[in-house]
Amino acid sequence: DAGITQSPRHKVTETGTPVTLRCHQTENHRYMYWYRQDPGHGLRLIHYSYGVKDTDKGEVSDGYSVSRSKTEDFLLTLESATSSQTSVYFCAISERGTNEKLFFGSGTQLSVL
Amino acid sequence: SQQGEEDPQALSIQEGENATMNCSYKTSINNLQWYRQNSGRGLVHLILIRSNEREKHSGRLRVTLDTSKKSSSLLITASRAADTASYFCATDSGGGADGLTFGKGTHLIIQP
Repeated sequence: DAGITQSPRHKVTETGTPVTLRCHQTENHRYMYWYRQDPGHGLRLIHYSYGVKDTDKGEVSDGYSVSRSKTEDFLLTLESATSSQTSVYFCAISERGTNEKLFFGSGTQLSVL
Repeated sequence: SQQGEEDPQALSIQEGENATMNCSYKTSINNLQWYRQNSGRGLVHLILIRSNEREKHSGRLRVTLDTSKKSSSLLITASRAADTASYFCATDSGGGADGLTFGKGTHLIIQP
């Protein structure tokens, strides 16, 4: 998967608890993305980063925050998880900021009970 | 909001047959891409076609783009069991670094 590792692969948590998902890349790519995938919706962009400490919101950013303190790591935090955030979360990277080819991680299955 | 919409939602064919999937989108684009997703895995980039191109080939894949109709098609020839997967079209409208907009996907099943 192009040197992208997501952790954890699976997580079950309770409503109201904070959750952090990690994306780690070994490609030294500048651009990183968090998507969520839900039945009937396809993939939707949550947040993206165009460099260390440079992030921006995507289509469905409410309830999520991100941080990127190092090129290789992009963290997605659910401050207070809700059942509507039950989803599969994918991290993706891109070498150039032209969206011409994204490489995806294997995903994190998150269940919020 | 969804930019691309794939059609059909599901497709089942016999091994060796050709599979055609379609994608329609709403706004002008810089390029359109197709991705494959095997069950439980991340998406894998298959092919990219730019807005000024009409057709592109890669191995058994053939992609067409009609910007006047805002539509694209993906043809997989001589299908194999390993082609069983979900296929997504994704559009790049802004040309910036803000990611792609994906459709909901076509689930392709190749019957042996």
